[in-house]
Amino acid sequence: LAKTTQPISMDSYEGQEVNITCSHNNIATNDYITWYQQFPSQGPRFIIQGYKTKVTNEVASLFIPADRKSSTLSLPRVSLSDTAVYYCLVGGLALYNQGGKLIFGQGTELSVKP
Amino acid sequence: DAGVIQSPRHEVTEMGQEVTLRCKPISGHDYLFWYRQTMMRGLELLIYFNNNVPIDDSGMPEDRFSAKMPNASFSTLKIQPSEPRDSAVYFCASSLRENYGYTFGSGTRLTVV
Repeated sequence: LAKTTQPISMDSYEGQEVNITCSHNNIATNDYITWYQQFPSQGPRFIIQGYKTKVTNEVASLFIPADRKSSTLSLPRVSLSDTAVYYCLVGGLALYNQGGKLIFGQGTELSVKP
Repeated sequence: DAGVIQSPRHEVTEMGQEVTLRCKPISGHDYLFWYRQTMMRGLELLIYFNNNVPIDDSGMPEDRFSAKMPNASFSTLKIQPSEPRDSAVYFCASSLRENYGYTFGSGTRLTVV
């Protein structure tokens, strides 16, 4: 399983765009990149998943360069309610890689201030 | 759908007692996962099931822990006997596919005194 490295914590202000970068130097060909968000006293919540280039949904964007050794989660115009821990995970989809499973790292604690 | 439902939300028990945590996955999800979260160790995958069959239990800390999934709509995680170091938040999650779009429950906060 590819190991991920992301900043332990980040600070931001309301209305700013936040970019959280995750390194995964030994990502495998069949691995996908997935991000989860966790609020205190709640279980993690799926945000976005991608394989290459750019993926966008109503919550965030995910940028993946051509070499796929890193990825950046972009949160547009954050609010206080975006204060949470964000996890970057790398793993294969069952379709391509039987036996894979998602392992959570330490995550990035994002603090949004007024 | 009500999402993944876990019970109880909180459990306080004495060392040595048996503890059973329960989980109802989202209907139609073929995968079920049990995680444990502590400040020191973060989120740890304990075991996961596919179509009610345990696939990987390498994360189960020791023989005191056991998990079952008797049918597609119910799973249990049992600790017998419990110890103070088992105190943690235990999450159950389910998904349609093995590595995509997990839906987590609200967790069970276990305190062993």
